[in-house]
Amino acid sequence: EIVMTQSPATLSVSPGERATLSCRASQSISSNLAWYQQKPGQAPRLLIYGASTRATGIPARFSGSGSGTDFTLTISSLQSEDFAVYYCQQYNNWPMYTFGQGTKLEIK
Amino acid sequence: EVQLVESGGGLVQPGGSLRVSCAASGFTFSSYWMRWVRQAPGKGLEWVANIREDGREKYYVDSVKGRFTISRDNAKNSLYLQMNSLRAEDTAVYYCAREVKGVTYYDSNGYHYYYAMDVWGQGTRVTVSS
Repeated sequence: EIVMTQSPATLSVSPGERATLSCRASQSISSNLAWYQQKPGQAPRLLIYGASTRATGIPARFSGSGSGTDFTLTISSLQSEDFAVYYCQQYNNWPMYTFGQGTKLEIK
Repeated sequence: EVQLVESGGGLVQPGGSLRVSCAASGFTFSSYWMRWVRQAPGKGLEWVANIREDGREKYYVDSVKGRFTISRDNAKNSLYLQMNSLRAEDTAVYYCAREVKGVTYYDSNGYHYYYAMDVWGQGTRVTVSS
């Protein structure tokens, strides 16, 4: 099983600043990674797939990078609506998916 | 509007059974793989099961194999998850999600694809407790 590890568990950032979230795979997954955003009481929302391609309607301030085992989600200038929990998810061994444990992005 | 609406959650005793449903609208349901993903209280996301467009191929996370059955009725635009021999650790919000697939690139090894869950329902809560 591919284990996904996200860091940090909680990230405190001020509005307008940049946030950098990390995700590491226990083995190489090429670029087979997606990122999701989840707000309290809501379903997850797809942000990024293929490690770096933004999903439809996702603002340009969200960007993804990385390949192999190390990945990054960057939010360039945080807006109030961006404070949420973010999950990475690998699909390298599709049809099985595994998720990271999540990073909570909170207002500093 | 593309939409998924789950229903059927509730309180069930350990060892009991429950079937949750997901009604799809606004898209051609029969053209997509579908998935169930769950989230235990205060925890992260866990993929549970998925099913091919025609229902003939199914996969499950190890912890539910032999207890849960995913199915679909394309004529009714509906996805189901039959859950038997329920345990306390099955307590979670259960989401259905649509899976999309596309070509990322082509090389000497052939086509490389991306997969993503682009539409989610609002979830249905299942509580297993005596």
